[in-house]
Amino acid sequence: GESVGLHLPTLSVQEGDNSIINCAYSNSASDYFIWYKQESGKGPQFIIDIRSNMDKRQGQRVTVLLNKTVKHLSLQIAATQPGDSAVYFCAENTGGFKTIFGAGTRLFVKA
Amino acid sequence: SQTIHQWPATLVQPVGSPLSLECTVEGTSNPNLYWYRQAAGRGLQLLFYSVGIGQISSEVPQNLSASRPQDRQFILSSKKLLLSDSGFYLCGLNAAGDGYTFGSGTRLTVV
Repeated sequence: GESVGLHLPTLSVQEGDNSIINCAYSNSASDYFIWYKQESGKGPQFIIDIRSNMDKRQGQRVTVLLNKTVKHLSLQIAATQPGDSAVYFCAENTGGFKTIFGAGTRLFVKA
Repeated sequence: SQTIHQWPATLVQPVGSPLSLECTVEGTSNPNLYWYRQAAGRGLQLLFYSVGIGQISSEVPQNLSASRPQDRQFILSSKKLLLSDSGFYLCGLNAAGDGYTFGSGTRLTVV
């Protein structure tokens, strides 16, 4: 069945470095992808999204890259800060009512 | 802007007791509403979604039920809780087919 998975369960980076969180998806029909950030004890928050007609989208300090050829999605965080420590989820949607969430990657930022 | 109110934040219930979690939304009409459950350190599992009043779709067989008595109200219930119902429950809103807005979550512990 379709699945959205993450390459690494945890990622540790030094404050000020760039972070890259990866995600693989298996449904080639997925046309909308989202990254969420979840801090401890809180609900996930929308970070950035990208549609399948794009391969890159930039936000404030974050960039999402989509490689449809290899079904790969990544989230890049520039100049990582302690406040970026959280679990990051990728999610895919095929245009219906349901979204498939990945298992999440925990990002640790070392001061 | 869209907001979700979800309560209570934490709940400890004995096995066999009933459950009622409520979610209300503001700032939008006729949203798609969702109930997700998140086990510790895991991703989000879709439990129910609703595209309108009285319309409920269940994703997984379980001890829970959902109802949508009003356009902006979504309720998660159980007649008799099981230990396996423990988890972090999130109400989600998707009004424009884009990313979700999530509530702050309810941490349920069944003892």
